[in-house]
Amino acid sequence: NAGVMQNPRHLVRRRGQEARLRCSPMKGHSHVYWYRQLPEEGLKFMVYLQKENIIDESGMPKERFSAEFPKEGPSILRIQQVVRGDSAAYFCASSPRQGEGEQYFGPGTRLTVT
Amino acid sequence: GDSVTQMEGPVTLSEEAFLTINCTYTATGYPSLFWYVQYPGEGLQLLLKATKADDKGSNKGFEATYRKETTSFHLEKGSVQVSDSAVYFCVSYGGATNKLIFGTGTLLAVQP
Repeated sequence: NAGVMQNPRHLVRRRGQEARLRCSPMKGHSHVYWYRQLPEEGLKFMVYLQKENIIDESGMPKERFSAEFPKEGPSILRIQQVVRGDSAAYFCASSPRQGEGEQYFGPGTRLTVT
Repeated sequence: GDSVTQMEGPVTLSEEAFLTINCTYTATGYPSLFWYVQYPGEGLQLLLKATKADDKGSNKGFEATYRKETTSFHLEKGSVQVSDSAVYFCVSYGGATNKLIFGTGTLLAVQP
């Protein structure tokens, strides 16, 4: 059973470009979470999605950031018009049920904005 | 709001030394508590968990006890190995929020 997959592992974007980060949850998991880790900080919750629905986006910046988890295909975290402050590691996690503190994490995508 | 505070690293130990990484939490309710570990170049993995007061989580020689009176969940291991070198995160779940709340992580480096 493959774990949570994220791609790309490393992404470099110039200021103003768009970044698309992909996450494929573990097989059988329909709940996906995105976290951001800034340098020297712990992981911070961004958004929680279930298939085709955003359940909690209280940690998402109000502008430029969006997330989706379509019926088919991976979950996508999209950052428009990136700025240097968006440089961070972005982790995706999945769980088979709601209300799960035990989540399975992917290896992360390290975004660098130049 | 809910928060988790853990001791800053890096923690550098010799092989077979005793390990303690302190962790305290604040929560309005009764969260579940976890330790996650991140090995170099990998994603986070669940190491152990405790869901209520006085529970002890254990795995791979690591232990942590949920102490409600001191709001703590310290991680311990009696004899560390080089392969334990990693970043350890103390995490809470539940309470006032329904999302994982992370400490800042503690880098452990074990030298042979």
